[in-house]
Amino acid sequence: NAGVMQNPRHLVRRRGQEARLRCSPMKGHSHVYWYRQLPEEGLKFMVYLQKENIIDESGMPKERFSAEFPKEGPSILRIQQVVRGDSAAYFCASSDRTGTSSQPQHFGDGTRLSIL
Amino acid sequence: DAKTTQPTSMDCAEGRAANLPCNHSTISGNEYVYWYRQIHSQGPQYIIHGLKNNETNEMASLIITEDRKSSTLILPHATLRDTAVYYCIIRVNNQGGKLIFGQGTELSVKP
Repeated sequence: NAGVMQNPRHLVRRRGQEARLRCSPMKGHSHVYWYRQLPEEGLKFMVYLQKENIIDESGMPKERFSAEFPKEGPSILRIQQVVRGDSAAYFCASSDRTGTSSQPQHFGDGTRLSIL
Repeated sequence: DAKTTQPTSMDCAEGRAANLPCNHSTISGNEYVYWYRQIHSQGPQYIIHGLKNNETNEMASLIITEDRKSSTLILPHATLRDTAVYYCIIRVNNQGGKLIFGQGTELSVKP
């Protein structure tokens, strides 16, 4: 069974460019979560999505950040006009169809975003 | 959201049991206790979770006190590969439940 797949593993962008991070959940999972880990800090929740719906975006910065999880294809975390402070590891997690607190989230190995 | 308190760091000898404590005195009755670990530069790895009863799987055991205000993760025979940061998390019980990570316990397994 393939786990949560994230790509690219490493992404380098210049200030002002756009970054697109992709996440394919585990097979059979329809709930996706994005987390961010700044250097030397803990993981922070960003957004929770189900297919075609954003359920909780309370951790998303108000500007430049967006996320989607279309009916077909991976979930995408998009960062527009990147700044140096966006440099971080971005982790995606998925859980199965029920998405309740009794179902564990399984994480990918993350995308390391570096802004020049 | 229920807060957790964990020691910042712990050492354990290889082959011995590692007992990682966690306090969560404000936990609500229907909130789960989850444990994850993060080995340097990798994604968090799910270990185990429980509600009221003690739980055991191939990785670890979880002991939850009767009042649910604290728990202990037990790695029965620690190896060097168990060196990691261990997070005790109380799962928010609404709409799928985001994970709120604290600082965790940095466990060092030594030969």
